[in-house]
Amino acid sequence: LAKTTQPISMDSYEGQEVNITCSHNNIATNDYITWYQQFPSQGPRFIIQGYKTKVTNEVASLFIPADRKSSTLSLPRVSLSDTAVYYCLVGDMGGSQGNLIFGKGTKLSVKP
Amino acid sequence: DTEVTQTPKHLVMGMTNKKSLKCEQHMGHRAMYWYKQKAKKPPELMFVYSYEKLSINESVPSRFSPECPNSSLLNLHLHALQPEDSALYLCASSQDYDEQYFGPGTRLTVT
Repeated sequence: LAKTTQPISMDSYEGQEVNITCSHNNIATNDYITWYQQFPSQGPRFIIQGYKTKVTNEVASLFIPADRKSSTLSLPRVSLSDTAVYYCLVGDMGGSQGNLIFGKGTKLSVKP
Repeated sequence: DTEVTQTPKHLVMGMTNKKSLKCEQHMGHRAMYWYKQKAKKPPELMFVYSYEKLSINESVPSRFSPECPNSSLLNLHLHALQPEDSALYLCASSQDYDEQYFGPGTRLTVT
């Protein structure tokens, strides 16, 4: 299983762009990178998933360099409601547990 | 309908009680999961069902017994729990082992 490492916490202000980086040095060829957001006492919510280069959806972008040993979740113009814990998961789609195992996550605090 | 529902929302039980947690999804997903989450910790995978068959058991104690009666339902039967089992129990589902949809969880307190 590819182990992930993220910063424990990050602070930001409303309106700023926030970039959260995840390291996964032993990522396997078939592994995808998935990010979840979790608010207190709620289930995690899927944000974005990617394999290489760049993926963008309506809430975030995911940047993955060519070596795929890290990835960066980018949240544009954060608001107070983006205060949450963000988890990076790495694994394949074939039933291994990699993308089912949550790391410690990054607690993002957005201030006014 | 992209919702995973869990009942009850809160549960308080004694160490000698038997109770069950229920989870339901109507998205046609083939995989369903149970996670346990302690305060300020990440979710911990407990069980995975694929096509109604148990495919992953993360060495969970036998006092937790999962059941998948059909493709839409997932139960977690609880018996003789310990106070340290108090946690938020999360259910999730997915079409493949990709994007998981999580329910709101059941907050369990064992007294």
